[in-house]
Amino acid sequence: DQQVKQNSPSLSVQEGRISILNCDYTNSMFDYFLWYKKYPAEGPTFLISISSIKDKNEDGRFTVFLNKSAKHLSLHIVPSQPGDSAVYFCAASANDYKLSFGAGTTVTVRA
Amino acid sequence: NAGVTQTPKFRVLKTGQSMTLLCAQDMNHEYMYWYRQDPGMGLRLIHYSVGEGTTAKGEVPDGYNVSRLKKQNFLLGLESAAPSQTSVYFCASIPGRRGIQETQYFGPGTRLLVL
Repeated sequence: DQQVKQNSPSLSVQEGRISILNCDYTNSMFDYFLWYKKYPAEGPTFLISISSIKDKNEDGRFTVFLNKSAKHLSLHIVPSQPGDSAVYFCAASANDYKLSFGAGTTVTVRA
Repeated sequence: NAGVTQTPKFRVLKTGQSMTLLCAQDMNHEYMYWYRQDPGMGLRLIHYSVGEGTTAKGEVPDGYNVSRLKKQNFLLGLESAAPSQTSVYFCASIPGRRGIQETQYFGPGTRLLVL
């Protein structure tokens, strides 16, 4: 039973516009959330994270929002660039040094 | 500083053959992990280690064994490969500092095809 769900397998967005990726979780013990980015034939690389004591974290063009009551987080990329085309994984941890991953969302940024 | 490396990058096995995947990290990290990635499934934890000489089962451990004889190396073994083990395998590590949430560093992956 997947505890972290990304219900949109793919997202296509025009260059310069906003990309919004969504993630839902079921385990109320999760207290740390991360987004990873993955290019083909490479390992995932860390993008941005948020602790459960916050509801927003920003890093340049990337912002992660956390809604604990809804058990939902989202990643906003503004503006989207061609180099952002990749698979994005949402992950969560319950302070046990293990991560549960979502299935991923493939983002395609159109010129 | 090479980070996390994985050997081999790609391998084809016949059903019933055995093999060992090697993960090495040069960051002096305590914790190491093995994941498999399958289409539509994300990354699933196979086994992990919280220090040299220790191993523990993850979400999908059946059919795999691991060893952590040296701090920098984490080996994943398949004793008798099955087509269901066709996947991309990723290794990851973290420093493992107590009480601190840390991001995992991933290797480039090993693509395994079992015929």
